[in-house]
Amino acid sequence: NAGVMQNPRHLVRRRGQEARLRCSPMKGHSHVYWYRQLPEEGLKFMVYLQKENIIDESGMPKERFSAEFPKEGPSILRIQQVVRGDSAAYFCASSPMKLAGDFTDTQYFGPGTRLTVL
Amino acid sequence: DAKTTQPNSMESNEEEPVHLPCNHSTISGTDYIHWYRQLPSQGPEYVIHGLTSNVNNRMASLAIAEDRKSSTLILHRATLRDAAVYYCILRDPFNTGKLIFGQGTTLQVKP
Repeated sequence: NAGVMQNPRHLVRRRGQEARLRCSPMKGHSHVYWYRQLPEEGLKFMVYLQKENIIDESGMPKERFSAEFPKEGPSILRIQQVVRGDSAAYFCASSPMKLAGDFTDTQYFGPGTRLTVL
Repeated sequence: DAKTTQPNSMESNEEEPVHLPCNHSTISGTDYIHWYRQLPSQGPEYVIHGLTSNVNNRMASLAIAEDRKSSTLILHRATLRDAAVYYCILRDPFNTGKLIFGQGTTLQVKP
């Protein structure tokens, strides 16, 4: 069973361009979380998605950032008009179908996408 | 969300046990205690979790204080590959499951 896959592993963008980060969850997992790790800082939650639904986006910046998890295909984190402060490692994690109201299960993380904005 | 407090860094010698402490004095009755670790240049990795009783798995043991205000992650024989940042996280099972990472403890393992 392949683990969580993220691509690209490294992404370089110039200020003002768009960045698209992809996350393929583990087989059978229908829950995806995105986290960001700024240089020399800890990991910060961004957004939690189930198939075709955003469940919790309390950690997402209000502008320029969006996320989706379509019925088919990977989850996408999209950053429009990137700025230097967006340079960071972006990790996604997946977890299997949960029992209603149970959020104690393990999250499996991908290797991350390291975004550099020039 | 309830907060955790961990030492910034710890050192260990290879092949010796390591005890990583975590204080969580404001833990609620439904919070689970989770530990993740992050090796250099990698994504976090689940280590262990528990609610009230001590837990063991192939990676580590988790000792939880009787009042649940603190816990200790125990690596029985540290190896160089265990050098990582270890995060103690409280998970509210009714709060969408997002992980709230603190600064963690950076563990150095000396040969």
